[in-house]
Amino acid sequence: QSALTQPPSVSGSPGQSVTITCTGTSSDIGTNNRVSWYQQSPNTAPKLILYEVGNRPSDVPDRFSGSKSGNTASLTISGLQAEDEADYYCNSYTNSTTLGIFGGGTKLTVL
Amino acid sequence: EVQLVQSGAEVRKSGESLKISCKSSGYNFNIYWIGWVRQMPGKGLEWMGMIYPGDSDARYSPSLQGQVTISVDKSISTAYLHWSSLKASDTAMYYCARRYSSAWGYWGQGTPVTVSS
Repeated sequence: QSALTQPPSVSGSPGQSVTITCTGTSSDIGTNNRVSWYQQSPNTAPKLILYEVGNRPSDVPDRFSGSKSGNTASLTISGLQAEDEADYYCNSYTNSTTLGIFGGGTKLTVL
Repeated sequence: EVQLVQSGAEVRKSGESLKISCKSSGYNFNIYWIGWVRQMPGKGLEWMGMIYPGDSDARYSPSLQGQVTISVDKSISTAYLHWSSLKASDTAMYYCARRYSSAWGYWGQGTPVTVSS
């Protein structure tokens, strides 16, 4: 199964909002709400920031929000901060595995 | 506090075997899936497989099935990723992670593996 499709890079200035999309198919994103997002800063392990489309773990600020429409999920970061600069990966269950598949990753640059 | 602590960096030659570990603490090891993720140099995240420690039910990514074996030792709350014959293309960072709801909310620090030909 192919990876989910994310833009390779996005950028924004401090205080602005950015949205990262994650496009799949009717066999993965389109078939369930088990979409999660991970933030990975350089040389560190990934960190869960959203699960089941728009739920945040308790240690994640509400500047991070998620949504889904059809076969596309989105991560929106509002009030950009320098510390948000990282790689972001989406993941979705598929109709054949609960391991899920990852997106190719998006590098967020805070200008 | 939930913690996953992985074994240290490994350097091997092609054809050699290797087993890396992920030791869990701070929760009931038996009832949460543990997954393994590969990240090749400069690349994205890729699932290798996962295991349910309670009954050792292991599931593998179709693209990687047969290349690795995932196991657990419940007596020491540790999961393992094992290669019987390494290839240079196995050079990567490997992460273990534990389920959090339907996602993966707790991660090990990563184990870098370097395989020379």
